[in-house]
Parts: sequence; structure tokens; C-alpha cells
Amino acid sequence: NAGVTQTPKFRILKIGQSMTLQCTQDMNHNYMYWYRQDPGMGLKLIYYSVGAGITDKGEVPNGYNVSRSTTEDFPLRLELAAPSQTSVYFCASSYGTANQPQHFGDGTRLSIL
Amino acid sequence: AQSVTQLGSHVSVSEGALVLLRCNYSSSVPPYLFWYVQYPNQGLQLLLKYTTGATLVKGINGFEAEFKKSETSFHLTKPSAHMSDAAEYFCAVSVYYGNNRLAFGKGNQVVVIP
Repeated sequence: NAGVTQTPKFRILKIGQSMTLQCTQDMNHNYMYWYRQDPGMGLKLIYYSVGAGITDKGEVPNGYNVSRSTTEDFPLRLELAAPSQTSVYFCASSYGTANQPQHFGDGTRLSIL
Repeated sequence: AQSVTQLGSHVSVSEGALVLLRCNYSSSVPPYLFWYVQYPNQGLQLLLKYTTGATLVKGINGFEAEFKKSETSFHLTKPSAHMSDAAEYFCAVSVYYGNNRLAFGKGNQVVVIP
């Protein structure tokens, strides 16, 4: 009963490096989301996907890219990491109707130094 | 656009006392409302949700919330705080059409004092 799985759990990057945050879900949800959480700021939506091959920008997409080739996987790519991208990143998934809750992974804690 | 306001980033409550976390929403359409809880180093877990029907909603761990349309509120309560309730709590609003996006409040960090 895995739900939403995120890897890695922790990562330290140097400025200018790139990396991919992995997210996979086993609930056959069509919708998937990436958020970042900064202290005292709640969660901000980076990108979301309504199904394989379909993605769209959220509130704070700059500096990030996503792809969705399968229903299960929704990786988030950071290109040219900057200190402002130091944050905790959460992946979530849900069914496609607004009355259904989103299910969250345990997060990836990322530091850019 | 939909939005949520949670006042008071840190809330201290004595063990055994009432827990009250306030949430006010803004929505141009009938809202769906959610409360989530986040324990340290974990993701968000659903506490309860309001979609339609009964306006008093019961959730896990003894929490409940009441939807009040006239006050645009969805406050979360628990009659008696337990040490295990120490966590961060988020209110969120969705819409019944579109892409199932959520707008989150900034959260309340609850500290339980023995």
C-alpha cells in the first residue's frame, strides 16, 4: 500500500547543478501535482498534470520542468539550481474531480548551497 | 480566484483544552473545503473534507469542522487537545469544476503544552 513515493528524501546541490526529483503513485490517479513548501508560506503549486502527456504550469513554475509519460510517474526537473530553490518539495495525486482529496508523498528536502 | 486565510501562524494550547483553528475562504462558486495535518518530516494527511450535505463534518483523531456559508468559514475544532496533536494544520479550498487544483492557507503550527 505504497501510495505516493518520492525519491530522494534529502539532497544537497551546488549552485548551477541540475537534478530530477522522482514521484510515482500506485493508485491509478489521473491527476498529479508538484508543490514547494517554504516556512510560513503554505504550499505553492509548481506544475500539475491531468493525465499522461498533459502538463500545465502552476503558481511558481520558473526554474522547473516536468514530464508525464506514464500515469504512474511525474518527475520534476531542476535546471541550473539556485539558492531560492531551497525548499521542501511535495508530490501529490488525486482522482479528477474536485471533491476528492489529494494524496501526498513524504517530501524531498532540497538545499542549494 | 479561490483563496484561504488562516490567521495566527503559531497556536499554543494546553493539553486537555479546546483546539480551535480558524479558516476563512474566498470562492466565486460553491467550495469544496479540506483540512490537512502535517507531522514533522512527513507529507500532508487528510483530516476531513466538506463537499456537500451536512455542514458539520467529522474527521480523524477527534477533529471536526463546520462549514458556514454566511461567514465563509470552515473552522477546525477538537474538544480536548492531546500531545499527539502537535503538528501543522492546513486549510485548503478547491472548486467543483476545472483541474482539481487546491489553494492552501499558510498553515497553523500547533504546540501542545503539558
